[in-house]
Amino acid sequence: DAKTTQPTSMDCAEGRAANLPCNHSTISGNEYVYWYRQIHSQGPQYIIHGLKNNETNEMASLIITEDRKSSTLILPHATLRDTAVYYCIVREGYTGNQFYFGTGTSLTVIP
Amino acid sequence: EAGVTQSPTHLIKTRGQQATLRCSPISGHTSVYWYQQALGLGLQFLLWYDEGEERNRGNFPPRFSGRQFPNYSSELNVNALELEDSALYLCASSLGQGRLNEQFFGPGTRLTVL
Repeated sequence: DAKTTQPTSMDCAEGRAANLPCNHSTISGNEYVYWYRQIHSQGPQYIIHGLKNNETNEMASLIITEDRKSSTLILPHATLRDTAVYYCIVREGYTGNQFYFGTGTSLTVIP
Repeated sequence: EAGVTQSPTHLIKTRGQQATLRCSPISGHTSVYWYQQALGLGLQFLLWYDEGEERNRGNFPPRFSGRQFPNYSSELNVNALELEDSALYLCASSLGQGRLNEQFFGPGTRLTVL
C-alpha cells in the first residue's frame, strides 16, 4: 500500500521552479524516498531518491525534512516536457522489493 | 545500452482467452517486476522475479502468473481474460535483491480485452 500523500495536480509556469511536495509521515528509518515520473502512457522514469540528506542530480533536487516526514522534489527550470504525473514512493532500500505507487501529482507546465 | 524492452506493444484478446506478455531486462539486471496500470488508475504491483524465482506477488488472482528464464527475461501470463484486465502492463528491471537500486521501466504492453 502507498505510504505517501501528494496533491492531485499542480501548475507551473515554464522556466520557473516546480516544487512538488510529498508527505510520508509513517516513514521508517530504513525507508528511502524515491521519485518517478510518467509522461502520458509511457513507462515511469526514475528521477531521484534519498534517505535523509538532500540530493541533487541533473534532473532535479530532493529536499527531505529533518524529521523525514515530508519531502519536496524541485525541478529548477520547468519546461513543457516536464508535464507528467510525478510519483513519490517510500521503499525499504536493501531488499530490491517492489514499489507501491500512489496516485501521484499531475504537473502541468504552462507556456 | 539497451533499455527494458516489452512485446508486443499492443495485444487484443477476447474474454476467456489467454494472454502472454514478454519482457527483456537491461543487461546485467536479474530482477524483473510486473505492474498493471488500468485506465485512470495508478500502477499496481503484480509480480517480482529475481534469479528465476518468484519473490513476491501483489493482490491479484492466481490467473495472473509468470516466470523468469535463465537469461532473466520474463513472461507474464493472464488466463481466463476478463474485461477489467484491459490495461497497460509495465515491466521494470533492476539489479538483484539486497542492493539499493532503482527500477527501469519498459514502454509497456497495452492489453485490450473485448
